[in-house]
Amino acid sequence: DAGVTQSPTHLIKTRGQQVTLRCSPKSGHDTVSWYQQALGQGPQFIFQYYEEEERQRGNFPDRFSGHQFPNYSSELNVNALLLGDSALYLCASSAEAGSNYGYTFGSGTRLTVV
Amino acid sequence: AQRVTQPEKLLSVFKGAPVELKCNYSYSGSPELFWYVQYSRQRLQLLLRHISRESIKGFTADLNKGETSFHLKKPFAQEEDSAMYYCALSEYSSASKIIFGSGTRLSIRP
Repeated sequence: DAGVTQSPTHLIKTRGQQVTLRCSPKSGHDTVSWYQQALGQGPQFIFQYYEEEERQRGNFPDRFSGHQFPNYSSELNVNALLLGDSALYLCASSAEAGSNYGYTFGSGTRLTVV
Repeated sequence: AQRVTQPEKLLSVFKGAPVELKCNYSYSGSPELFWYVQYSRQRLQLLLRHISRESIKGFTADLNKGETSFHLKKPFAQEEDSAMYYCALSEYSSASKIIFGSGTRLSIRP
């Protein structure tokens, strides 16, 4: 089991562009959460998807949107990129019935906005 | 507001010395507390959670509701303990969002 897989690993975008990040959860997990980790900071919760719906959302603008597919994989979309969106984006998966014990993190996508 | 505070950005101790990483939280309900660790070039991973009351890799953490603290301790530091440590909390329910502190970098000197 490869665990949580994220793609791409690195990405450079220009201010104003749009970006899509992808995440495949760990086998057996059905819940996907996305986090933004700025340099020197802890991960900040963006949103969580379960049963193809956004279940919880953190304090992020509507420019950040997501999607979950029937196979539980997920995408994070960011529109109108700002320089401040440069960060490491982490995906974490868990099993709905397994509480928070089963949170497994991916290695992240490093987004640089220039 | 829910918040996790880790007052030390960097903690440097000698091998064999005791380690204590501080964590304080603010939460109105009954939170579940965690410590996550990230070793160099590895993914963020769960170290321990308060409800399991386990000792993992020699680390323990006791939840003090009166002081709203969840400090991580180890009596004798080892070089392999060098890593980034994050204290985190979530609502005590299934698969809730996790709120992280800003992290403490632990450096063990030989």
